[in-house]
Amino acid sequence: GENVEQHPSTLSVQEGDSAVIKCTYSDSASNYFPWYKQELGKGPQLIIDIRSNVGEKKDQRIAVTLNKTAKHFSLHITETQPEDSAVYFCAASMLGGQNFVFGPGTRLSVLP
Amino acid sequence: DGGITQSPKYLFRKEGQNVTLSCEQNLNHDAMYWYRQDPGQGLRLIYYSQIVNDFQKGDIAEGYSVSREKKESFPLTVTSAQKNPTAFYLCASSGTGGWLTEAFFGQGTRLTVV
Repeated sequence: GENVEQHPSTLSVQEGDSAVIKCTYSDSASNYFPWYKQELGKGPQLIIDIRSNVGEKKDQRIAVTLNKTAKHFSLHITETQPEDSAVYFCAASMLGGQNFVFGPGTRLSVLP
Repeated sequence: DGGITQSPKYLFRKEGQNVTLSCEQNLNHDAMYWYRQDPGQGLRLIYYSQIVNDFQKGDIAEGYSVSREKKESFPLTVTSAQKNPTAFYLCASSGTGGWLTEAFFGQGTRLTVV
């Protein structure tokens, strides 16, 4: 079955700097890769996603890149702000698949 | 507004009791999921359902049960057989239509055994 790894497990950056979180997946049949942000005591919220037919997607300060050959995808946050501090999860699913496989999460701290 | 609602937000259970966590969605999604999250940990899949009256075990189904009698509802029962039930429980739903679409999460239920 699919296995998703995520690095780093914790990340601290200064406000205004960029943050990058990387995920790798094992099953080449996976074709949908969402990213979720979870604030303390709340459910995860979808922040951006990418399908396998594109290599990059951007939404304001957030971007996701996908390398199908290497089977990895990354979340890029530019001009970080204190409110970006949260736990971020990547996930993978496949055509005809029945569920999502999540990475273990990255705790991002943006220091003022 | 469309969304996914979990209740209650906090739940306390005595040892040996069964408790049921509610999950309702009005997004017209076919698929629904239950995840367990322990402090500082990721999401572990308990059960999922792709269609009414059908559901599948996830990675940690032991001690849990579910039903899917209506498209909108996917309640989770934590039974007395679950030896360590204290955790944060998250329900999610997604469309299917050939491939999975975005999954939306509820706000979670924090279950504590007292």
